[in-house]
Amino acid sequence: NAGVTQTPKFQVLKTGQSMTLQCAQDMNHNSMYWYRQDPGMGLRLIYYSASEGTTDKGEVPNGYNVSRLNKREFSLRLESAAPSQTSVYFCASSVGRRLSGANVLTFGAGSRLTVL
Amino acid sequence: GEDVEQSLFLSVREGDSSVINCTYTDSSSTYLYWYKQEPGAGLQLLTYIFSNMDMKQDQRLTVLLNKKDKHLSLRIADTQTGDSAIYFCAESMDSSYKLIFGSGTRLLVRP
Repeated sequence: NAGVTQTPKFQVLKTGQSMTLQCAQDMNHNSMYWYRQDPGMGLRLIYYSASEGTTDKGEVPNGYNVSRLNKREFSLRLESAAPSQTSVYFCASSVGRRLSGANVLTFGAGSRLTVL
Repeated sequence: GEDVEQSLFLSVREGDSSVINCTYTDSSSTYLYWYKQEPGAGLQLLTYIFSNMDMKQDQRLTVLLNKKDKHLSLRIADTQTGDSAIYFCAESMDSSYKLIFGSGTRLLVRP
């Protein structure tokens, strides 16, 4: 019953370093998402993948890239980390959009990233 | 545009009812959600309501939706210390994959 698994849970980077956050889901979900959570700002969508082979920008995509490696995995890459990217990152997945019906997201436990 | 607003903090005594409020701006929202986040964890879905409903009850949870005022509330009856968490409301539309989240309300339950 793993659900959505994110790695690493914690990471400290220096400004300018690169890293990739990994996310995998075992629920056969079509859609996957990356959000960031900052104090007082709720969750903001960085990128999402509606289905395998597609990715789209969310509200705050600058400074990030994503790869939908296969149906299970969706990674988030910071090419040149900046202190403004210090945040908690959440991966989520869902069955996906249907003609009608709620889009219920299942979240991972989060990855706390600090950029010095 | 899309915007979801919540008050930041609520403190209640154990056994009392808690009411967490949310307002949203997009009248084309189709579904509205309540998620709970416990310390150090991801968000878990509590419940959701379709926009043509005005109330939904699930055990200790009651969701009220006033579509005219674009106001959503979550009532937790007999609040327990285990209910202490951050509660997020969110909206989505049939036409979109995106969920738009509020900033979250931190609920503190005092013994």
